[in-house]
Amino acid sequence: DVKVTQSSRYLVKRTGEKVFLECVQDMDHENMFWYRQDPGLGLRLIYFSYDVKMKEKGDIPEGYSVSREKKERFSLILESASTNQTSMYLCASRSAAGELFFGEGSRLTVL
Amino acid sequence: AQSVAQPEDQVNVAEGNPLTVKCTYSVSGNPYLFWYVQYPNRGLQFLLKYITGDNLVKGSYGFEAEFNKSQTSFHLKKPSALVSDSALYFCAVRDRGSQGNLIFGKGTKLSVKP
Repeated sequence: DVKVTQSSRYLVKRTGEKVFLECVQDMDHENMFWYRQDPGLGLRLIYFSYDVKMKEKGDIPEGYSVSREKKERFSLILESASTNQTSMYLCASRSAAGELFFGEGSRLTVL
Repeated sequence: AQSVAQPEDQVNVAEGNPLTVKCTYSVSGNPYLFWYVQYPNRGLQFLLKYITGDNLVKGSYGFEAEFNKSQTSFHLKKPSALVSDSALYFCAVRDRGSQGNLIFGKGTKLSVKP
């Protein structure tokens, strides 16, 4: 089975802190994604990557950056966390058949 | 632009009754359609997809979905609901531009009461 692992399930950070959210997949998928999920808004795409060192902005990239140094790892970075970035963050990788496989999510609270 | 709509924020069903979670889409060309389920405090899990072929698609946990091209719908169904089906359900359509990323609906909360 495909496994997508997000390093932290729950994080509490203070405004202005730098936050790293790590995601690793074990199925050699080329495409990886970061979404945020908020009640009533569904899933919104922050960034995605279709290859190592390649990244593309999604619908809401402001305030975020990403890193894809290795194929299996896709990191989301909040350079200076703000309270409006309190959310559930979901990482996913995509198979050749087009299915997305999601991690368990990282619930971030910014105080 | 591609889009997907889930017109109901919440669906309430009694255990044992059939359930339907609605989804409509707007795409140019032939759609690739997906359903995902999310249990509380978990990531999304793939349920089923429609790419081509038979309009009735069978998926995990006894769910199925019916593709209706004339009504541009892809409703999720199950003949007999279980309390354990209570979860958040997302419909998605594959964007033909933008690297083929999925566009998700806002989700429908399914509540199955005993």
